[in-house]
Amino acid sequence: GAVVSQHPSRVICKSGTSVKIECRSLDFQATTMFWYRQFPKQSLMLMATSNEGSKATYEQGVEKDKFLINHASLTLSTLTVTSAHPEDSSFYICSARAGVRMSQETQYFGPGTRLLVL
Amino acid sequence: DQQVKQNSPSLSVQEGRISILNCDYTNSMFDYFLWYKKYPAEGPTFLISISSIKDKNEDGRFTVFLNKSAKHLSLHIVPSQPGDSAVYFCAAGEETSGSRLTFGEGTQLTVNP
Repeated sequence: GAVVSQHPSRVICKSGTSVKIECRSLDFQATTMFWYRQFPKQSLMLMATSNEGSKATYEQGVEKDKFLINHASLTLSTLTVTSAHPEDSSFYICSARAGVRMSQETQYFGPGTRLLVL
Repeated sequence: DQQVKQNSPSLSVQEGRISILNCDYTNSMFDYFLWYKKYPAEGPTFLISISSIKDKNEDGRFTVFLNKSAKHLSLHIVPSQPGDSAVYFCAAGEETSGSRLTFGEGTQLTVNP
C-alpha cells in the first residue's frame, strides 16, 4: 500500500517554542492532506484539510494562527505548532489522499508524531 | 455532536471466535464508510470500506455490514487472531464531495489465545 511518513516521530520541547512536523507521501502525489490530533483513548479529531498550493481549511475551534499548515508540494505538508504550551501535548497524525472520491482512493495515514510540551 | 459513535470502548474475544465491532452514525449524508485498525503510537491502517449502495463487503477474514435504515454498520472478523488485537475505528464521509472523514471513538479489541 501507499506510504506516508512523518518526522519527527517524537518531540519534547519547552513551553513557548515552535515545533514543525513534516508529512510526506513517499510513493504517490497527494492532492489533499489532512492533519488530525488524538488525545488518549479518544477519537481522531480532524484539525485541518490542506490542498497543494492553497490555504488550509481549518475545522471549527482550531486556531489557524497557532497551527500553521503549509502544503508546498504534492508530496509534503508541514504542521507548525507555534508558541507551544503543555495543553498542545498530543499525538498528531497526518494522512494523504491522491484522489477526490473516497471510492477511488483511501486516506493513507502517517505513523504519527508524539508532542510533549514541558 | 458526535456524528459517528462506537458505543463499546472495548471488546474481548477468544482466538478462533468471531469479533463483531459496531458503529452508529447520525448524518444521513454519509454514504461511504471505512474501518481502520490502529496500534499504539502508530497511525491507523485501512482495513475495509463500503459504499452505501452495498450492504455487505467482504475481504478475507473481514466483512463489513451496512444497515442504512438503522444507520448502523458492523465489522466482523472471523476467525479472530491474537494479532488482531488493536483499536478499531470506523469512519464515515460523503463520497462524491470529497469531504473529510468523521471518526468514531474507537473500540479496543483484545483477542485472547
